[in-house]
Amino acid sequence: QKEVEQDPGPLSVPEGAIVSLNCTYSNSAFQYFMWYRQYSRKGPELLMYTYSSGNKEDGRFTAQVDKSSKYISLFIRDSQPSDSATYLCAMSTAGGGNKLTFGTGTQLKVEL
Amino acid sequence: GAVVSQHPSWVICKSGTSVKIECRSLDFQATTMFWYRQFPKQSLMLMATSNEGSKATYEQGVEKDKFLINHASLTLSTLTVTSAHPEDSSFYICSAPTGPDSPLHFGNGTRLTVT
Repeated sequence: QKEVEQDPGPLSVPEGAIVSLNCTYSNSAFQYFMWYRQYSRKGPELLMYTYSSGNKEDGRFTAQVDKSSKYISLFIRDSQPSDSATYLCAMSTAGGGNKLTFGTGTQLKVEL
Repeated sequence: GAVVSQHPSWVICKSGTSVKIECRSLDFQATTMFWYRQFPKQSLMLMATSNEGSKATYEQGVEKDKFLINHASLTLSTLTVTSAHPEDSSFYICSAPTGPDSPLHFGNGTRLTVT
C-alpha cells in the first residue's frame, strides 16, 4: 500500500462545475499538506499549503484536511478550462521542504 | 512570479556525454535545494537533497557518481548527469523552500533527452 493514495483520473467536468480532488494517506505523522498544480511539461506550482487539520480558502480554491480520517481535499469552484492540469497532493512530517511524499496526481480536464 | 529558476528547460545530448542543469533561487537564499525526477504520467521522485557548503544527500538507489550535485552558493545548485544514457531521459525538477517552515517551490523543470 502506498503512503499516499490519489485517484489518477482523468476527471472531466464542464466549465463552471465544482471540482473535488482527494488524497488519503496512512502515515499519521504527516503534519504539512500541500496541493500543487502541474501543467504539461512544466514544474509543479504551489496552490495551497496547510498545517494540521482544518480548512483554508484562497480565491476559488479551498483545501481541507481531516487528520482523524487521514483525508485531504481540494475544491475548485467555478472551474475554468485553464484549470485543466494535473493536481498533486503532497505531505510531510515537517516544514521547510522536509522530504515530501507525493500522490500520483489527478488529471483534470475542464471542458467548454 | 517564479521563485525558483531552472535552466535549461530542455536539452538533447548524445549518449556518453554529460549535461549540467542549473537551479537558482530568486530573491531568497536556499541552504537546501531538492532535485526530483519525473517519468511520464508518474509522480515526482526525490533524487537528492542539495546542501550549501556540504555534500548532497542521495536517496536510495540514486547513483551519486552519476548524478553530481554541487551547491555552490546560497542561490545556486547544479545537477550534472554524467555519461548520460537513454534511460536517463526524463524530466528533472529542482525545488527549494523560501524559509524554514515554508513549502517547496519548484522550478519549471528540464526535459533531458539522451539519444
